[in-house]
Amino acid sequence: NAGVTQTPKFRVLKTGQSMTLLCAQDMNHEYMYWYRQDPGMGLRLIHYSVGEGTTAKGEVPDGYNVSRLKKQNFLLGLESAAPSQTSVYFCASSSGLAGGQETQYFGPGTRLLVL
Amino acid sequence: GQNIDQPTEMTATEGAIVQINCTYQTSGFNGLFWYQQHAGEAPTFLSYNVLDGLEEKGRFSSFLSRSKGYSYLLLKELQMKDSASYLCAVRTLSGNTPLVFGKGTRLSVIA
Repeated sequence: NAGVTQTPKFRVLKTGQSMTLLCAQDMNHEYMYWYRQDPGMGLRLIHYSVGEGTTAKGEVPDGYNVSRLKKQNFLLGLESAAPSQTSVYFCASSSGLAGGQETQYFGPGTRLLVL
Repeated sequence: GQNIDQPTEMTATEGAIVQINCTYQTSGFNGLFWYQQHAGEAPTFLSYNVLDGLEEKGRFSSFLSRSKGYSYLLLKELQMKDSASYLCAVRTLSGNTPLVFGKGTRLSVIA
């Protein structure tokens, strides 16, 4: 049981290049999330999904797109990378059960540097 | 808007007790979470409070006062491995809705 995995672990891009970050979970979770974490800013939600085929915007969605074609995978795309997108990206998942004390499980993170 | 405040940094001595405070002003409230994050690693779940009072889990305890919009995380018998960032997060809506995170408190444990 690997939990939440992210690919790649580290990437350097030039301004204007595109890339896709992959998140995979093997816990049969319904909900998946993409966050970015910057120094002094904490974790900020980019997009999230409440089930296969659904996506929703979070706090900072501009410049990113997402897709959830399969329940276990959540992809984050950068169509034209900008230096402001230099950050650490975390994926998380949760089961989606109602009731409140339902925590999120985080992947190890992807460090992205845009030059 | 949503506002969650925590101290940026704290330092404490090995073996001591430290309290990390979190205050929140959010559009709604349906639970408060504490996460631990070691440098370069992913956040991991520590505790959850939805009702007023204290939840104890080994060396860690978390307290909530909904009327005051206030929580704290109490760490006892500090160890060097407790040096990490501690993130306070609030679920603002009912159901399994996304969390709103504070900026985190970086705790340094010194000998």
